[in-house]
Amino acid sequence: KNQVEQSPQSLIILEGKNCTLQCNYTVSPFSNLRWYKQDTGRGPVSLTIMTFSENTKSNGRYTATLDADTKQSSLHITASQLSDSASYICVVSTNAGKSTFGDGTTLTVKP
Amino acid sequence: ETGVTQSPTHLIKTRGQQVTLRCSSQSGHNTVSWYQQALGQGPQFIFQYYREEENGRGNFPPRFSGLQFPNYSSELNVNALELDDSALYLCASSLPGRDTYEQYFGPGTRLTVT
Repeated sequence: KNQVEQSPQSLIILEGKNCTLQCNYTVSPFSNLRWYKQDTGRGPVSLTIMTFSENTKSNGRYTATLDADTKQSSLHITASQLSDSASYICVVSTNAGKSTFGDGTTLTVKP
Repeated sequence: ETGVTQSPTHLIKTRGQQVTLRCSSQSGHNTVSWYQQALGQGPQFIFQYYREEENGRGNFPPRFSGLQFPNYSSELNVNALELDDSALYLCASSLPGRDTYEQYFGPGTRLTVT
């Protein structure tokens, strides 16, 4: 069964600090992995997309890594801001276009 | 903003009633997917429409049905509402083609069933 596990479930950090969110998956055959940011009560917004051949992708202060051998991905947030408070969702898709969503990590950035 | 719009924003219904949610996809996108997101969980795939035909369905009962129109806008219909149907309903449109490689999500409709 295709699964996506994210950790931690929630995280609280101080403004300006860095953090790393984890995503482990068992989706096969792998096509791509996406990280989304979802503000409370809003739709997810894409941060990064990585295919099998990519092992890192950056979008401003967000950097995602992918290890296709161990089936792990991480999302690193640098110099966090209050506006980074949100849920971060990892989504892994197969070649057939079937997507499996993780339950997300809820990040709270405090001043 | 992704260009995907949904209506209404919030909705309160009574158990047993029927509801219709609407989604307008981003210009040029012919694929629309619907998701149900319970509080604290990731979105769960309901079904997808490609060029007005259903193109894949998740583990949801037949009382969840949909439509896609020639302009690629879409509706999600839920009959015989149950309390557990309370959730955020998201639609996502995709770039031309059948792949869900790049999805653009709408803001969602918050449905509360009492």
